[in-house]
Amino acid sequence: DTGVSQDPRHKITKRGQNVTFRCDPISEHNRLYWYRQTLGQGPEFLTYFQNEAQLEKSRLLSDRFSAERPKGSFSTLEIQRTEQGDSAMYLCASSTGVLYGYTFGSGTRLTVV
Amino acid sequence: AQSVAQPEDQVNVAEGNPLTVKCTYSVSGNPYLFWYVQYPNRGLQFLLKYITGDNLVKGSYGFEAEFNKSQTSFHLKKPSALVSDSALYFCAVRDISNFNKFYFGSGTKLNVKP
Repeated sequence: DTGVSQDPRHKITKRGQNVTFRCDPISEHNRLYWYRQTLGQGPEFLTYFQNEAQLEKSRLLSDRFSAERPKGSFSTLEIQRTEQGDSAMYLCASSTGVLYGYTFGSGTRLTVV
Repeated sequence: AQSVAQPEDQVNVAEGNPLTVKCTYSVSGNPYLFWYVQYPNRGLQFLLKYITGDNLVKGSYGFEAEFNKSQTSFHLKKPSALVSDSALYFCAVRDISNFNKFYFGSGTKLNVKP
């Protein structure tokens, strides 16, 4: 598989529960990004990794959100104590360099009920 | 701060006709501009980018975009639309102080009718 994979595709959770999403980037891509897309809006930047180092976090990423990329390969995004406002599509993307476009995964759609 | 605006929520065009999806940008400096397409329940797919050079950029699936510095625009075009082009299109600009971040427009839904 040469694309970016995200798991799960859909997640329905009750408010207050914790959820974790996984992203497997293209193997030779050292940069990995998380974006959030709400209905009717374009994606918004959440955080970025170069290899295993998390180099930037948006202020959209509250204390309830944490992302890791422990070995510079796959990444996880965890949301603790989910709120209804967390309902969105969470997109992962990877790239090889700053002058290239991203390759996006299909996203994880989170619904908090 | 950098931003892009897509003034049309929706564009309707008949199959075989030319299509244009509009994008304007606001950047202090030279812009790095991109177009992405999103099909239902899918991630975004890269179409084309402008970094420097020719103002007319050719991309995937027969799409092209024209960079116009005086009008601060980067409109997406295709000479002959296909029904399969129906999707959501996003214009994006790279943060010039942090190349690892994009700012996306709100998207334009393209409907191509047979």
